[in-house]
Amino acid sequence: AQSVAQPEDQVNVAEGNPLTVKCTYSVSGNPYLFWYVQYPNRGLQFLLKYITGDNLVKGSYGFEAEFNKSQTSFHLKKPSALVSDSALYFCAVIGPRGNNRLAFGKGNQVVVIP
Amino acid sequence: SAVISQKPSRDICQRGTSLTIQCQVDSQVTMMFWYRQQPGQSLTLIATANQGSEATYESGFVIDKFPISRPNLTFSTLTVSNMSPEDSSIYLCSVGWTGPQDTQYFGPGTRLTVL
Repeated sequence: AQSVAQPEDQVNVAEGNPLTVKCTYSVSGNPYLFWYVQYPNRGLQFLLKYITGDNLVKGSYGFEAEFNKSQTSFHLKKPSALVSDSALYFCAVIGPRGNNRLAFGKGNQVVVIP
Repeated sequence: SAVISQKPSRDICQRGTSLTIQCQVDSQVTMMFWYRQQPGQSLTLIATANQGSEATYESGFVIDKFPISRPNLTFSTLTVSNMSPEDSSIYLCSVGWTGPQDTQYFGPGTRLTVL
């Protein structure tokens, strides 16, 4: 089975400060890892993914994430948060036997305080 | 990527009725999926819509409650049958291509409220 844990319910950060959203995963074999963002009353937007290669991946809107195999983590980061980054963030994983079925974490609400 | 549209964007329905949600993609895609997002919850996969054959349902979801059609490579429908207030959710379709490494892209969702 494949699963994702996002341990925090809400992440509060001051505008201009670094933002980190945590994600750990469980999967058999090598994982394919994804981050999505959901703004109010909108669908999910793809941010970035890790498939193979460099552990640090860069995505949209200045976000990046680091794959750490030993810690089974894929934390999302942004060096300087903007108020417009306030949204719901989902981590998701597919394993090699996952039949293309994404398993999502519960999501983290990010609140950037002006 | 792909441009994905869903109809309706939202609806309010009465208990016991059915609603069909449409998902249209601007290009041919290999895979289409339907997800449910209950209020304050994460996304749960309902089924994989297979072109020309019956959908593949996840545990806890059945065809009688959520019949799905996929007549071609750009279109799919999900019907929520005999609705109850517990069916109030956002329903999203997503599309993908050849393998698990391919990014799945999501439609804007259909917000359903059942009274």
